[in-house]
Amino acid sequence: GNSVTQMEGPVTLSEEAFLTINCTYTATGYPSLFWYVQYPGEGLQLLLKATKADDKGSNKGFEATYRKETTSFHLEKGSVQVSDSAVYFCALKNSGGGADGLTFGKGTHLIIQP
Amino acid sequence: GAVVSQHPSRVICKSGTSVKIECRSLDFQATTMFWYRQFPKQSLMLMATSNEGSKATYEQGVEKDKFLINHASLTLSTLTVTSAHPEDSSFYICSAQGTEHGYTFGSGTRLTVV
Repeated sequence: GNSVTQMEGPVTLSEEAFLTINCTYTATGYPSLFWYVQYPGEGLQLLLKATKADDKGSNKGFEATYRKETTSFHLEKGSVQVSDSAVYFCALKNSGGGADGLTFGKGTHLIIQP
Repeated sequence: GAVVSQHPSRVICKSGTSVKIECRSLDFQATTMFWYRQFPKQSLMLMATSNEGSKATYEQGVEKDKFLINHASLTLSTLTVTSAHPEDSSFYICSAQGTEHGYTFGSGTRLTVV
């Protein structure tokens, strides 16, 4: 079956530090990959996505590249801000279209200190 | 943008009672609704998928008689936890999928059964 593994948190960084949150996956076929962010008290919001190998998703300074050879989709940001503090979820969706639910990782709590 | 409203955000109920959680798509029609459950420090686990006007499809291990899902319209789905027990205490999140909006998540419901 499908699975997503992401680094355990919490991850604590200083403002303007470089961020990497690792994510690897197991899936049949060629899934679509997502990063979602959940700010305190809010629902999950799509941060970025990639639908095929070597695609790079980007949004708000965050980037992630779909690496089929390493089955990874690591999230990076060059300079984090306090407002980036949130829980980040890596997720995948099976290929083939249709209405499939997502398979999520456990989430990584990111804390950015001023 | 697409918004999904989920209520209540928190509920405490006595063991043996039933609790209903509502999920509404406010500005789009949701062809499919997904219900997830999240245990502390665990990933979101898909419980069931429902399409408007038809019976929900439950994931393996999820009791359909305990977690009743109704998707009576294109903008409303409900999850009823029947005869709740302390082990049902968890965080429940809905997600709505429209034809154009991808996955939009509600803000979740924290259920505590005492």
